[in-house]
Amino acid sequence: GENVEQHPSTLSVQEGDSAVIKCTYSDSASNYFPWYKQELGKRPQLIIDIRSNVGEKKDQRIAVTLNKTAKHFSLHITETQPEDSAVYFCAASNGWYGGSQGNLIFGKGTKLSVKP
Amino acid sequence: EPEVTQTPSHQVTQMGQEVILRCVPISNHLYFYWYRQILGQKVEFLVSFYNNEISEKSEIFDDQFSVERPDGSNFTLKIRSTKLEDSAMYFCASSEGDETQYFGPGTRLLVL
Repeated sequence: GENVEQHPSTLSVQEGDSAVIKCTYSDSASNYFPWYKQELGKRPQLIIDIRSNVGEKKDQRIAVTLNKTAKHFSLHITETQPEDSAVYFCAASNGWYGGSQGNLIFGKGTKLSVKP
Repeated sequence: EPEVTQTPSHQVTQMGQEVILRCVPISNHLYFYWYRQILGQKVEFLVSFYNNEISEKSEIFDDQFSVERPDGSNFTLKIRSTKLEDSAMYFCASSEGDETQYFGPGTRLLVL
């Protein structure tokens, strides 16, 4: 089955700096890669996602890149702000391939701290 | 913006007791999921559900677990005889048929 590895487990940056979180996946059939932000005690919130037919996607200060050959994808946050502090989870899914219903396999999470 | 809702927010139970966790998916969504997150760990897939049937389940989802859509709005997860290791946050999610899944706020289950 799919396995998703996420690094680093913790990341501390100064406000205004960039933050990069990296994930690798094992199943070449995976074709959907969302990123979720989870604040303490709250639900995971989808912040950006990318599908395998695209190499990069950007939404304001957040971008995701995907390298299908190397089976890795990354989250980039620019101009970080204290409110970006949270745990970020990457996930992978093979969508609706082979009768699957797009179940998400998550990485272990990265705790991002943005210091003012 | 419509959101997935879950009740209760917290549940404390004794080992061996049955619990039912309830979810109301987003109204036009047809695909439903349960995930769990043990404190400090990653989110883990339990089960997916569509058209009143389980689509897929993980190794965690053993015979002690069941899911049901008892009416047009609720989606439930039942644990028949809870164990200490079932203590976790349980998240319901729903999707309208593309890959995007929206998560509920979770139910924190504590088994004593």
